[in-house]
Amino acid sequence: GEDVEQSLFLSVREGDSSVINCTYTDSSSTYLYWYKQEPGAGLQLLTYIFSNMDMKQDQRLTVLLNKKDKHLSLRIADTQTGDSAIYFCAEILKSGNTPLVFGKGTRLSVIA
Amino acid sequence: DVKVTQSSRYLVKRTGEKVFLECVQDMDHENMFWYRQDPGLGLRLIYFSYDVKMKEKGDIPEGYSVSREKKERFSLILESASTNQTSMYLCASSQPGTGSYNEQFFGPGTRLTVL
Repeated sequence: GEDVEQSLFLSVREGDSSVINCTYTDSSSTYLYWYKQEPGAGLQLLTYIFSNMDMKQDQRLTVLLNKKDKHLSLRIADTQTGDSAIYFCAEILKSGNTPLVFGKGTRLSVIA
Repeated sequence: DVKVTQSSRYLVKRTGEKVFLECVQDMDHENMFWYRQDPGLGLRLIYFSYDVKMKEKGDIPEGYSVSREKKERFSLILESASTNQTSMYLCASSQPGTGSYNEQFFGPGTRLTVL
């Protein structure tokens, strides 16, 4: 079955870049997502990438997709204390009525 | 502003009680989901629904049931609460569509404690 793996913790200094990594097993994924969960809140979509793309950039965020290795990464440039949160990688196998498959989440701690 | 609301942020119940968690979305979405979130386990899908009166089991449906009588409302029911159901419960909704990126919108969560 499908599985999404990511490391549980990451700690960076304010102003440095953060890179959160994710691997997935199903090569038929159509969209891959990064969700952010701030303390005490629900998840919010941060960015997504279509499976035929290699890279997507959105302000401080860069998403890289390596389909051959089934590896997805999220890079946050100039990490701020407000970026401290849990980041979830997720995939969907096809559009329409298929649930997302989430990773366990990476807790990013930003040290001032 | 799109919204998914959950009836309670915090709930404390006793073992054996019947518990109702309510979720309402105002986006006219077809799909609704219930997850539980536990440290180190991430999000696990309990049930989801693609339409009114329809429901599908997720990965961990045991001990839970759901009800979707109206499009905007999706209820999660714990028939007889147990201590291992102490968790954070998250509701989400989405709109399906060919070629859509299927964003799921999440509620703020209900932290349930079963004593």
